[in-house]
Amino acid sequence: AQSVTQPDIHITVSEGASLELRCNYSYGATPYLFWYVQSPGQGLQLLLKYFSGDTLVQGIKGFEAEFKRSQSSFNLRKPSVHWSDAAEYFCAVGATGGGNKLTFGTGTQLKVEL
Amino acid sequence: KAGVTQTPRYLIKTRGQQVTLSCSPISGHRSVSWYQQTPGQGLQFLFEYFSETQRNKGNFPGRFSGRQFSNSRSEMNVSTLELGDSALYLCASSLAGTREGYTFGSGTRLTVV
Repeated sequence: AQSVTQPDIHITVSEGASLELRCNYSYGATPYLFWYVQSPGQGLQLLLKYFSGDTLVQGIKGFEAEFKRSQSSFNLRKPSVHWSDAAEYFCAVGATGGGNKLTFGTGTQLKVEL
Repeated sequence: KAGVTQTPRYLIKTRGQQVTLSCSPISGHRSVSWYQQTPGQGLQFLFEYFSETQRNKGNFPGRFSGRQFSNSRSEMNVSTLELGDSALYLCASSLAGTREGYTFGSGTRLTVV
């Protein structure tokens, strides 16, 4: 069974600082990997996704993520955080062998200090 | 183009009642999934439909059911509501499944009193 670990429940960064949110997954093969963002009371917005190929993936809002097979990780990064990035971020894994479901991590709540 | 539309946005029900939530996927999307989000359990997969057929089901009791219509619109039903069913229910649609990625709606906030 697939699983996702987001070790940081809360992260606080200053506006303009760089950001890295950690995500580790467990799956028997190379999975489909996703990062979603959720603002309070809203649904999930897809930031980026990885299926295969280039291990550095570019997403919306200036985010990127790097897939590292050896570390079973898919960390999300942004070089300069804006106050509007404050939200909850979820990493998710999908099985490549079918199943058509996403398994989510517990989320990381990002706070941005002005 | 229009996104995933969920109705209603908010719902208050009494324990023991039943409830039906609706989801209209993005036009052309044939896969619709449902997730439950709670502070304690996080985001949990309920079920996924494709072309009116349930392809996958999560680990929820039989009180939770769903269906998909020929126009890809989907409904989920919860019978005999319990206080623990209070949650944000999210619908997501995709062209065909996981590989294409899922677009989520804004959710239906269900409160059971």
